[in-house]
Amino acid sequence: DAMVIQNPRYQVTQFGKPVTLSCSQTLNHNVMYWYQQKSSQAPKLLFHYYDKDFNNEADTPDNFQSRRPNTSFCFLDIRSPGLGDAAMYLCATSVTGGAMETQYFGPGTRLLVL
Amino acid sequence: AQKITQTQPGMFVQEKEAVTLDCTYDTSDPSYGLFWYKQPSSGEMIFLIYQGSYDQQNATEGRYSLNFQKARKSANLVISASQLGDSAMYFCAMREPDGSGGSNYKLTFGKGTLLTVNP
Repeated sequence: DAMVIQNPRYQVTQFGKPVTLSCSQTLNHNVMYWYQQKSSQAPKLLFHYYDKDFNNEADTPDNFQSRRPNTSFCFLDIRSPGLGDAAMYLCATSVTGGAMETQYFGPGTRLLVL
Repeated sequence: AQKITQTQPGMFVQEKEAVTLDCTYDTSDPSYGLFWYKQPSSGEMIFLIYQGSYDQQNATEGRYSLNFQKARKSANLVISASQLGDSAMYFCAMREPDGSGGSNYKLTFGKGTLLTVNP
C-alpha cells in the first residue's frame, strides 16, 4: 500500500546532541511537510517543500533544518535539541492540484530530549 | 487571529449514539477547503472528510458527515453510530495559501476536541 513512513517511531536524544528524523513516501507526492506537535496542542507547521522549493515558516527556529534529497525522502535535522523540542514530529505529503490537496500523514516520531 | 476555532476541548458520547463536533473558521479567501482529521493516542493523523468552499452539498464519508454552513462559517463534523474505536482527538483544519504568492497551500489546525465514547 502507498504510504508515508517515518523512522524511527521513538527517538531519544541528549540535550544539545544533533538528531535527524526521516520521512519517506511511496505516494509520489510532490509536496512534503514537517509539523511539530506538542502534548495536547495542534500540529504546527515548521516548513514544507514544493518539489525542491523549500518554504520555511517565519517562526520556525533556526535550530530546525530540513533536507529533501529526492521526491521520496525528507529529513528533519535538529542541530542542538533543547528540552522544549520534545514533541511529536509529523511528516505529511500532498500533491499539487490533486483531489482537495489533502495532506496524508505518517505515524509520527516522538522525540524525547534528556 | 485564530482562524480555526474548536470550542469543545472534550466531548463524551454513548456508544451507538451520534455526536457533533463543532468547528468555526475565519477567512477572506473565497476559495478554501476544510478538513477533519482523527488522531488516536498512537499519534497518526487520519484524514476523515473534506468540504470545499464551492461544494453545493455537505460532504459525507460513511459514518462521517460534515454540516457545512457557509454563511455562519461553520463546518461541524457529525459522527453517527459512535463506536469505541472513535475515541480520539479530532482536528478541524483549513487549507489556505502558504503566502508564497503562488497556488500553494498549507493547513491551519484548530486546537482539537478529545472525543470519548462510553460503552
